[in-house]
Amino acid sequence: DAKTTQPPSMDCAEGRAANLPCNHSTISGNEYVYWYRQIHSQGPQYIIHGLKNNETNEMASLIITEDRKSSTLILPHATLRDTAVYYCIVRVSSGNTPLVFGKGTRLSVIA
Amino acid sequence: DGGITQSPKYLFRKEGQNVTLSCEQNLNHDAMYWYRQDPGQGLRLIYYSQIVNDFQKGDIAEGYSVSREKKESFPLTVTSAQKNPTAFYLCASSMGDWQPQHFGDGTRLSIL
Repeated sequence: DAKTTQPPSMDCAEGRAANLPCNHSTISGNEYVYWYRQIHSQGPQYIIHGLKNNETNEMASLIITEDRKSSTLILPHATLRDTAVYYCIVRVSSGNTPLVFGKGTRLSVIA
Repeated sequence: DGGITQSPKYLFRKEGQNVTLSCEQNLNHDAMYWYRQDPGQGLRLIYYSQIVNDFQKGDIAEGYSVSREKKESFPLTVTSAQKNPTAFYLCASSMGDWQPQHFGDGTRLSIL
């Protein structure tokens, strides 16, 4: 079973920041938090991952709480093309372990 | 371009037939994975392989088989024993350890 809890759906106005929450209260010290998104009928797209520190790349920012029990994915200026299902996944840092997907959050960006 | 290629994009199977889905990667990744996705659901793991000539069953391996004879290829066979094969099938690969997985564009399998 997935080790994360996400809201089933969220709306965001175009141009505004989208903040997607994720709870992972049972995360272990050697587990990373990964975020993927899936646009309809396509394969999931990797967005970002982190262990302890906040991370930022060209797509998004990942904010992890100090106790590591929750995190937030931030899309700074959402566009209509960001409409997708976003998955938050916890995965151990070694051994090529598979990803365990939950149902994710369906983000709708509204014009 | 480097990436993961799945073919065909759409596949139709008659009852009782085996079909093989192709997955090729030119990323030099060690590990490869097969997932199944049903409408409105997340992905579920079928099989994965961490190295050539070795693979492990995932949560829903019954009715499926795989092989890993080459590093770049990880074909999935959906056998007649899989009673509900209609689904979206996704292949992924990763370099190792904490490195993220990268996915192909999927194959949509339907029963005629």
